[in-house]
This record gives sequence, C-alpha cells and structure tokens, in this order.
Amino acid sequence: DTEVTQTPKHLVMGMTNKKSLKCEQHMGHRAMYWYKQKAKKPPELMFVYSYEKLSINESVPSRFSPECPNSSLLNLHLHALQPEDSALYLCASSQDGQGFYEQYFGPGTRLTVT
Amino acid sequence: AQTVTQSQPEMSVQEAETVTLSCTYDTSENNYYLFWYKQPPSRQMILVIRQEAYKQQNATENRFSVNFQKAAKSFSLKISDSQLGDTAMYFCAFLEPYTGANSKLTFGKGITLSVRP
Repeated sequence: DTEVTQTPKHLVMGMTNKKSLKCEQHMGHRAMYWYKQKAKKPPELMFVYSYEKLSINESVPSRFSPECPNSSLLNLHLHALQPEDSALYLCASSQDGQGFYEQYFGPGTRLTVT
Repeated sequence: AQTVTQSQPEMSVQEAETVTLSCTYDTSENNYYLFWYKQPPSRQMILVIRQEAYKQQNATENRFSVNFQKAAKSFSLKISDSQLGDTAMYFCAFLEPYTGANSKLTFGKGITLSVRP
C-alpha cells in the first residue's frame, strides 16, 4: 500500500481565517514533506520532517506553520494567508529522508484564499 | 546545485503509438536516483518509474521504459502503446542521497502530454 491521504480536498478561506491541512500515511515512512504547487508548474518544497523533527524549512513565511504530531501524521497550520498563497498543497512521504527512497504523494488540498 | 531540464513543454501522440519524453540533468555526483512522475488532470502525482545511477540496465515498468545515458546525463521516458489515460503532465526528477541531512527532490519544469483518440 503506497497511500498518502490528505484532508480536506478543497479549502476556501479568508485572509483572516485560521485553518489546518492534514496528511496521513501508514507505510511506516519516517520522512514527510509539504509542497506547494501552482498550475502547470512543478511542486516547490516547503518543509521536510525526518523522524518527526523539522529538518528543512525552505524559507517559508511564518503564516505557514508545520507540525508533525507522530510519525504517521503531518499538519500544516495556516493563518493570515494572502491570495497569492492559493495553490495545490501536496504532502509526500518517503522511507527516510536520506535520499535513497522515492517519495509518494497524496492527492493534495486545493486551497483558495479570498 | 543539481538542475533538471525538460525542454519540450508539450507533446501530442496518437493512441496506441509510442512517444518519448526527454530529460537532461546536471550533477557532479556519481550516486543519485532519477524518477519520472505523472500528474493527470485529477492532480494526483504518481511515481511512474525509478532509475538508480549505478545500474547500467534501463528500468522498465510495463509500457514505460527509460533510456538512461549517464555520460550524457540524459534520462528519457518511452511510453509504448499510448493510452488515453496517459494524458498528463510528466515531471522528471533527480534525487541525490547523502548522509547526515535530508535530500531534496529536484523537478524539471514538466511536459504536458496529450494522447489523441
């Protein structure tokens, strides 16, 4: 089973709202990733968690706050977003973060900021 | 830093025919991994095929195969017997493993493939 699940599928939020995206995997993977993807563009890496610790933050604005409560779960907390933050947010996982294993992606959350 | 180049933004192929998608990359490393990912209009990113740089044999997965030319730093994807469900954006990606830190997946810009009935 190579499934990564993400909820919600779609999210519309105002610039003053606080919301969260959720990602879950049950493959025993120890690295999890958040990507942002604009239409017709490749995914852009935002954060990497390895063994439940934040190991990479690609200079993401603080209005995005990641959290990894356990090895299977990854959250992305959103607050005071801007319209340009509207995008598809993809979660991925891999067996570890050392780069020896492929990443498996979830279906994404389509976020619209109004 | 590694770079991945997909120079063709769009391609079209007739159903049941064969199509080849090009990818080149640049690295000074000897040990790395290459991938092709497919992203259909539904937007789920799916791993199509993986190639380890240390393996001389080209990877194959059913109708998908690669032509890996390490010296030329070229990694093309061949899709045989194209099907309507192959219509998608295809991303070539590079992964370099190293110890002590986390490795990042570097993507090309992608190519939009349309399969015509």
